[in-house]
Amino acid sequence: QKEVEQNSGPLSVPEGAIASLNCTYSDRGSQSFFWYRQYSGKSPELIMFIYSNGDKEDGRFTAQLNKASQYVSLLIRDSQPSDSATYLCASAIQGAQKLVFGQGTRLTINP
Amino acid sequence: DTAVSQTPKYLVTQMGNDKSIKCEQNLGHDTMYWYKQDSKKFLKIMFSYNNKELIINETVPNRFSPKSPDKAHLNLHINSLELGDSAVYFCASSPRSVSLYGYTFGSGTRLTVV
Repeated sequence: QKEVEQNSGPLSVPEGAIASLNCTYSDRGSQSFFWYRQYSGKSPELIMFIYSNGDKEDGRFTAQLNKASQYVSLLIRDSQPSDSATYLCASAIQGAQKLVFGQGTRLTINP
Repeated sequence: DTAVSQTPKYLVTQMGNDKSIKCEQNLGHDTMYWYKQDSKKFLKIMFSYNNKELIINETVPNRFSPKSPDKAHLNLHINSLELGDSAVYFCASSPRSVSLYGYTFGSGTRLTVV
């Protein structure tokens, strides 16, 4: 079992709709979670970070964490074509001093 | 102004050659990393250095050798390149507490072995 799992997609969402990206993790020692966005041919850039159960909102982005279910999600409201990218979920395990990444979900927003 | 810079951006080389990739960060971060990203976008950690000390050395062929002359620089030397080494290699850095801050990535080096 992979430590961090994501559906690789592609996930196709119409412009203006809500895109929902999901991630599960296996290590209960995971302390915090990160969402990175990676455009084709570019490097990953950090868009959200969450460590407490519940929701965290930043503009059009909402990260959700449920530690009991070992589940993290990213919601993108009012999706734009510029949101089309691969979204990488990562966990930081206590004491490990590294991030473990999922395989990424490719998101396409259709105009 | 670039926070984490890697050179070169592209590298095309023949099997059996030796090549190096350089990375520098000006963020004052304590820890630097090398990751390999395969064609399916999966990012896998290779090495990590904290203030010039090797702290993570994942299962990587010993043809790969990292070197950190100081905490702002981390280089990756690859001997006897193989076709399977073709990938994008990312350097990243983080402050001491990666759990709170995550990584800043460099722009990547696309290595193609022919």
